[in-house]
Amino acid sequence: ETGVTQTPRHLVMGMTNKKSLKCEQHLGHNAMYWYKQSAKKPLELMFVYNFKEQTENNSVPSRFSPECPNSSHLFLHLHTLQPEDSALYLCASSHFIGSLANTGELFFGEGSRLTVL
Amino acid sequence: AQTVTQSQPEMSVQEAETVTLSCTYDTSESDYYLFWYKQPPSRQMILVIRQEAYKQQNATENRFSVNFQKAAKSFSLKISDSQLGDAAMYFCAYRSSGTYKYIFGTGTRLKVLA
Repeated sequence: ETGVTQTPRHLVMGMTNKKSLKCEQHLGHNAMYWYKQSAKKPLELMFVYNFKEQTENNSVPSRFSPECPNSSHLFLHLHTLQPEDSALYLCASSHFIGSLANTGELFFGEGSRLTVL
Repeated sequence: AQTVTQSQPEMSVQEAETVTLSCTYDTSESDYYLFWYKQPPSRQMILVIRQEAYKQQNATENRFSVNFQKAAKSFSLKISDSQLGDAAMYFCAYRSSGTYKYIFGTGTRLKVLA
């Protein structure tokens, strides 16, 4: 089983829909991240959770709502999105910073390709 | 605020040749980490190589090596003996010590020509 799994891989939604992206990691990590990847732009950090607590919220619009019920699962709830929100959403995980196992490496999922009509 | 700049949107290299991808960054901090990540088409982004800022020695991983110039805030990636499987987007990234905030560049698309 792959280390970081994201579902669905592809999602098309209307601007009035509500949907969720799911991320699951099987690496024993305690930090999980959501990134937005748009063409020709740097990866944008959206949220970071460490031991289920949100440590970073990078001024993300409230139409994106994260949820981290435990260290292995991360969700991104989507509602009333705009066409400019269409992008590849990447989930990543890592050891927490104080861990001796932390090498700084992020482990990414394959991403969820979101299209907002 | 820290920034990472990759000035080459696209590069090409002949198979078996060597290519260097450029990255510059801006920070006022002295303790940080730098990374190169590879994202093959429709596949997961994976770590290629990492460098701790306090280490003067350049990191190497098999065919991949970096040229870390701390004073110039430059962090280039050299790929030797390029292979078809090296074709991908390459992202340079920065992380301050003690934070979870990784900052990425815009990426360089590497094409490997047979």
